[in-house]
Amino acid sequence: GGIITQTPKFLIGQEGQKLTLKCQQNFNHDTMYWYRQDSGKGLRLIYYSITENDLQKGDLSEGYDASREKKSSFSLTVTSAQKNEMAVFLCASSLDWVSYEQYFGPGTRLTVL
Amino acid sequence: QQKVQQSPESLTVSEGAMASLNCTFSDGTSNNFRWYRQHSAKGLEVLVSIFSDGEKEEGRFTAHLNRANLHVSLHIREPQPSDSAVYLCAVSSEPGTGSNRLTFGKGTKFSLIP
Repeated sequence: GGIITQTPKFLIGQEGQKLTLKCQQNFNHDTMYWYRQDSGKGLRLIYYSITENDLQKGDLSEGYDASREKKSSFSLTVTSAQKNEMAVFLCASSLDWVSYEQYFGPGTRLTVL
Repeated sequence: QQKVQQSPESLTVSEGAMASLNCTFSDGTSNNFRWYRQHSAKGLEVLVSIFSDGEKEEGRFTAHLNRANLHVSLHIREPQPSDSAVYLCAVSSEPGTGSNRLTFGKGTKFSLIP
């Protein structure tokens, strides 16, 4: 078995601030994902990384940057936090790009004041 | 573009009753369907994965897929208090492309009355 760790668990920022969320997995999976979950809107894919050194935009990439530092870690940066923004950011990983089985972390809850 | 809709938005059942959750999708060529459970402030836990028409059972959870009707359902037998959570349906976003991207529904909030 393995685990996905996301830090921090809660993130409070100010409008316009640059904020970074981190994700680590010890499954030795090739592919990692960042999703955003808003109340009443389901999960939307922000960025994904098929293998180490790869980066792909999802459906909601505007306003975000991502970085796959090594195989086990994938970071997401909110480039300029929007006032009153509240969402949960979920990191996931899968064995490879053709494997549908995605394993999820517990999430980072973002609040922007 | 794949569209996924779940109903009802919320569901409350009494202990001992069967719970049924629904999910409709727009692309009938999809070949990958998943039901996830999400407890408050926690990540998603996959309950059932189904790839062809018919039924798939995993413990107390059974998924029914009918691609002709663009419908996949989840039935929870003998729901427990620990089953109170949000249930998310996920469907392959780009069928036939080899991509494993998933499109998620907005979820059904399920609660059990003891």
